[in-house]
Amino acid sequence: AQSVTQLGSHVSVSEGALVLLRCNYSSSVPPYLFWYVQYPNQGLQLLLKYTSAATLVKGINGFEAEFKKSETSFHLTKPSAHMSDAAEYFCASGNAGNMLTFGGGTRLMVKP
Amino acid sequence: KAGVTQTPRYLIKTRGQQVTLSCSPISGHRSVSWYQQTPGQGLQFLFEYFSETQRNKGNFPGRFSGRQFSNSRSEMNVSTLELGDSALYLCASSSRDRGQETQYFGPGTRLLVL
Repeated sequence: AQSVTQLGSHVSVSEGALVLLRCNYSSSVPPYLFWYVQYPNQGLQLLLKYTSAATLVKGINGFEAEFKKSETSFHLTKPSAHMSDAAEYFCASGNAGNMLTFGGGTRLMVKP
Repeated sequence: KAGVTQTPRYLIKTRGQQVTLSCSPISGHRSVSWYQQTPGQGLQFLFEYFSETQRNKGNFPGRFSGRQFSNSRSEMNVSTLELGDSALYLCASSSRDRGQETQYFGPGTRLLVL
């Protein structure tokens, strides 16, 4: 069975600082990997997805993620945090059956 | 294109009642999936429908059921509601691009069971 682990349920950064949200997956086959963001009282918005075409994936709002097979990781980064980035972020792994397995989520707080 | 829409957005029910939630997918998307989000269990997959057939099912009791119509709109039903069914229910529709499915989520229906 697939599993996704997000290290750190809460991450706090200062505005302008680097954002690093960690995600590790467990899969016996190359997974489909996604990052979603959830703002309060809203659904999930797709940030980016790993398509196996490139290990460095660029998404919306300046986010990017790097797929590292040797580390089974798909960490999300952004060079400079904005106040508007404060939200909950979910890493997810998909299988051929189109079922997403989500990590526990990381709440990002941005301090002025 | 319009996004995934879900109705109603908020719902309050009492234990023992049943509830039906509705989801309209993005135009052209034939797959609809449902997820339950709670503070304790996080995001959990309920089921997926494709072309009016349930294609995948998560580990939920039979009180949770769903269906999909010919226009791809989907409904999920929860019978004999329990307090623990209080959650945000998210619907996602998906399309296949270069062999990969990508799910796009609606705003969710927040269900409170009293």
